Amino acid sequence: EIVLTQSPGTLSLSPGERATLSCRASQSVYSNYLAWYQQKPGQAPRLLIYGASSRATGIPAKFSGSGSGTDFTLTISRLESEDFAVYYCQQYGSPPLTFGGGTKVEIK
Amino acid sequence: QVQLVESGGGLVKPGGSLRLSCAASGFTFSDYFMTWIRQAPGKGLEWVSYISHSSTYTNYADSVKGRFAISRDNAKNSLYLQMNCLRAEDTGVYYCARAYHSDSSEAGYWGQGTLVTVSS
Repeated sequence: EIVLTQSPGTLSLSPGERATLSCRASQSVYSNYLAWYQQKPGQAPRLLIYGASSRATGIPAKFSGSGSGTDFTLTISRLESEDFAVYYCQQYGSPPLTFGGGTKVEIK
Repeated sequence: QVQLVESGGGLVKPGGSLRLSCAASGFTFSDYFMTWIRQAPGKGLEWVSYISHSSTYTNYADSVKGRFAISRDNAKNSLYLQMNCLRAEDTGVYYCARAYHSDSSEAGYWGQGTLVTVSS
């Protein structure tokens, strides 16, 4: 099973700042099948990024994904109030599929 | 638009069984992998199981293997999760999700979830 480690656990930033979230895999992710999700309190998660770097429909350009192999990054270029949430990475290339533990982006 | 509505959650005693359902609409159900994902109270997401378009392939998290069974009925646009030998650690919100692409298994669309509580 591929273990995904997200860092940091919590990121405290101010609106307008840039957020950089990391997701590291214990082994190479097949075909870079790595997704990022956003979850707000009381809501179901929402797909942001698939294939490591492709934005899902309707996701604004301030969200970008990068990386390959075992190291992946989600960047939010300029934080707005609605971006403060928990973010999860998931690998879907090798069953069993796995999620990272999440990064909480909170208002500083 | 894509709609996924889970049902069947509730309170069950340890060792008991429960069957979750997910009613899908707004897309051609038989074209997509379907997935169950759960979230324990205050915790992160845990992938549970997925099933391929025509039920040829299924896969499970080690934590539920041998106790849970995923299935689908393409004629009824429905996904199911039969949960047996339930444990306290199975407590959480269970989400049904549809793949974003027809040939992959990332969770592109999610239902609102159904709560399962395992307690005596």
